[in-house]
Amino acid sequence: QVHLQQWGAGLLKPSETLSLTCGVYGGSFIGYYWSWIRQSPGKGLEWIGEIHTSGSTKYNPSLKSRVTISVDTSKNQFSLKLTSLTAADTAVYYCARGGDRLGISWGQGTLVTVSS
Amino acid sequence: QSALTQPASVSESPGRSITISCTGTSSDVGGYNYVSWYQHHPGKAPKLIIYEVSNRLSGVSNRFSGFKSGNTASLTISGLQAEDEADYYCSSYHYCTSCTSSSIYVFGTGTRVTVL
Repeated sequence: QVHLQQWGAGLLKPSETLSLTCGVYGGSFIGYYWSWIRQSPGKGLEWIGEIHTSGSTKYNPSLKSRVTISVDTSKNQFSLKLTSLTAADTAVYYCARGGDRLGISWGQGTLVTVSS
Repeated sequence: QSALTQPASVSESPGRSITISCTGTSSDVGGYNYVSWYQHHPGKAPKLIIYEVSNRLSGVSNRFSGFKSGNTASLTISGLQAEDEADYYCSSYHYCTSCTSSSIYVFGTGTRVTVL
């Protein structure tokens, strides 16, 4: 069973850029989609986007102008960058396996707080 | 694209059955058999329990079952147990005409299940 471990800064200021990375261990990485999902306080899950190990990406249109998802197949890692942060971006961010079985594996979640 | 619609909450006694609905459109739930269901205990990562409408993930209790009719998918939990108390989310593949990539994912609004 694949294990996902994520890391990145948890406290950011408005207008800064969020940067999170997710490492995939103990299973297949190549050939799959890998996703980022978030949950704002008191709200539901929101799909941010995903990347295939070939490099092709799909993004939530509501975030597309600010999101970049990238992949490093040499390290079995994928990353999320979200620019121009506001308080509305405060959320728990999860990495997960994407594609047809979206969420078959999840990272532990990272609380990102945007505050001045 | 809008979030899929779920009831905000459902409550029932132990041993009884409940059904949670997930209503979308012909561009997502009604058009594709890529509906998934997740169980989310607060403070933990969500857990995929049903994929492709009605397939239970290995190890998931057969008390959980999924179904779809038209633009509405449903999750039934039979023989309700205290451990089933959690938030439940559906997700679906969504055909997005305004997106760079035509296929994205959308989550439901979430349902809080309370075992009385």
